[in-house]
Amino acid sequence: AQTVTQSQPEMSVQEAETVTLSCTYDTSESDYYLFWYKQPPSRQMILVIRQEAYKQQNATENRFSVNFQKAAKSFSLKISDSQLGDAAMYFCAYRRTNGDDKIIFGKGTRLHILP
Amino acid sequence: NAGVTQTPKFQVLKTGQSMTLQCAQDMNHNSMYWYRQDPGMGLRLIYYSASEGTTDKGEVPNGYNVSRLNKREFSLRLESAAPSQTSVYFCASSQGLAASQYFGPGTRLLVL
Repeated sequence: AQTVTQSQPEMSVQEAETVTLSCTYDTSESDYYLFWYKQPPSRQMILVIRQEAYKQQNATENRFSVNFQKAAKSFSLKISDSQLGDAAMYFCAYRRTNGDDKIIFGKGTRLHILP
Repeated sequence: NAGVTQTPKFQVLKTGQSMTLQCAQDMNHNSMYWYRQDPGMGLRLIYYSASEGTTDKGEVPNGYNVSRLNKREFSLRLESAAPSQTSVYFCASSQGLAASQYFGPGTRLLVL
């Protein structure tokens, strides 16, 4: 069975600095999708970034980028120029491309931004 | 375009009571999902529906039933609520395997 592990329950970063959130996953599939979701105090789940496993190029969305290491089954999120609005829970998620329609989430990393 | 809506936003139940959580999406998505979120546990899938007329169990289906009423609506029913079902419940929808999930605002449920 596929699993997603986020080993950092909480992290802190100074405003304007860069922070990296870790995520590892376990799968026997060769093709799949990986996601990072953000959940601010409002509780709304917001998609931050998506990576397709067959693409070697790392996905980027403005200040957010990923480091996708397929062989190592690692999918970290880098936030550059951290802002107060980035404070939230961040969830890493996995979805296979064949078979069932489920997304598997990690347990999350709470990110604090220090002014 | 409201996206994914959920009702109610907050509910208090007594042990043994029943209730239905409602979810609707206006994005014409095929797939819909119900999750529960507990502190330190992340999101856990309760049930999902890949298309209208089909439902499948997720990771934690016990104590719940679902109905995919039509393409827009996917309800979650607690027949006999238990304190262990105190949680925040999220509904989500997506279109296709490659697509990201869109989430509703959540329902906070307290079972006394």
